[in-house]
Amino acid sequence: AQSVTQPDIHITVSEGASLELRCNYSYGATPYLFWYVQSPGQGLQLLLKYFSGDTLVQGIKGFEAEFKRSQSSFNLRKPSVHWSDAAEYFCAVGAYRPGGTSYGKLTFGQGTILTVHP
Amino acid sequence: NAGVMQNPRHLVRRRGQEARLRCSPMKGHSHVYWYRQLPEEGLKFMVYLQKENIIDESGMPKERFSAEFPKEGPSILRIQQVVRGDSAAYFCASSPETGQGYTFGSGTRLTVV
Repeated sequence: AQSVTQPDIHITVSEGASLELRCNYSYGATPYLFWYVQSPGQGLQLLLKYFSGDTLVQGIKGFEAEFKRSQSSFNLRKPSVHWSDAAEYFCAVGAYRPGGTSYGKLTFGQGTILTVHP
Repeated sequence: NAGVMQNPRHLVRRRGQEARLRCSPMKGHSHVYWYRQLPEEGLKFMVYLQKENIIDESGMPKERFSAEFPKEGPSILRIQQVVRGDSAAYFCASSPETGQGYTFGSGTRLTVV
């Protein structure tokens, strides 16, 4: 069974500083990987996704993530954080249907809460 | 183009009552997923439905919970005889096809008193 670990429960950065949120996954084949962001009381918004191809994925709001198969990681980065980036971030891995096609069931990590200091 | 619509946004039920959570997927989306988010936890998969079919209900509790996605109308997550442990945020998501990442609704926050 697949699993996702986000080692950092809470991260605090200063506005303008760079950011890296860690995500490690466990999955038997090439995974589908996602990063979502959730503001308090809101639903989840997709930041970016990796299915195949280029291992560096660009997303919305200036975020990017790099898939490293050898490390089973999919870390999220942003070069300069804005106060509006304060939220909770979830990494997720997609499941495969027997036969090799994905059917979209996601396993989420526990989330990382990002606090941004002015 | 409206997003995934969930209602109600907040729902309060007394122990033993029934809770009905509704989800209208985005236009053109035929795949619906329900997730539950307990306090201080990530989202846990509950069920995956297509029109008139339950594809995967491996995350659904064995008793009191059921889900449907009829040919017409929204998807419904039904919780019978609610208990305090059912208090959580329930999120619905929809996608046009499998494996492409999907769009989440804003959730229904269920409180059982």
